[in-house]
Amino acid sequence: GAVVSQHPSWVICKSGTSVKIECRSLDFQATTMFWYRQFPKQSLMLMATSNEGSKATYEQGVEKDKFLINHASLTLSTLTVTSAHPEDSSFYICSASSVKPYGYTFGSGTRLTVV
Amino acid sequence: AQSVTQLDSQVPVFEEAPVELRCNYSSSVSVYLFWYVQYPNQGLQLLLKYLSGSTLVKGINGFEAEFNKSQTSFHLRKPSVHISDTAEYFCAVSQGGSEKLVFGKGTKLTVNP
Repeated sequence: GAVVSQHPSWVICKSGTSVKIECRSLDFQATTMFWYRQFPKQSLMLMATSNEGSKATYEQGVEKDKFLINHASLTLSTLTVTSAHPEDSSFYICSASSVKPYGYTFGSGTRLTVV
Repeated sequence: AQSVTQLDSQVPVFEEAPVELRCNYSSSVSVYLFWYVQYPNQGLQLLLKYLSGSTLVKGINGFEAEFNKSQTSFHLRKPSVHISDTAEYFCAVSQGGSEKLVFGKGTKLTVNP
């Protein structure tokens, strides 16, 4: 079946530094990938949709200069949290859509803690 | 805009009891419906999905769901739960033609011995 690998699974960084999270589709080509943020005991909030070779589309209220998304190939999308602050601490999850079989496959998530 | 309502934020049940997790959506056009399970500090795992065809959908781990267009519902059921089913369950909808998934707020299922 479709597999999406996301890493790191957890990361601790100092305030003001940047962190990059990778999301790879291992056995299928994902023209579209999605990045979500999940606060404790809450649902997933879509941050942005990234399409291979083009700029990401950000949801309202998401700072595109803070959350840089790159989708350079059909199997890799990255999310970079720039100048991280403690309020950016959260669980970030990526997903990739596939045509056959239709659906969305999720990565295992990244727990980001900014200290 | 689409919305997904999971009516119960928490559902406690005893082991081997049946369970139903409720999900309603708002859309007047064709939709694709999904149920996902999330274990602590993990991503989401697909339980089942409805794209078209039979309204009763069977998924993994003994779960099933029924698509009811007239009631705009997609409730998840399992006839006999196990301790290992304890997790957060999310209902999600994508409108036909759109790739975006809209999630419900989740239902925490706790299975007690």
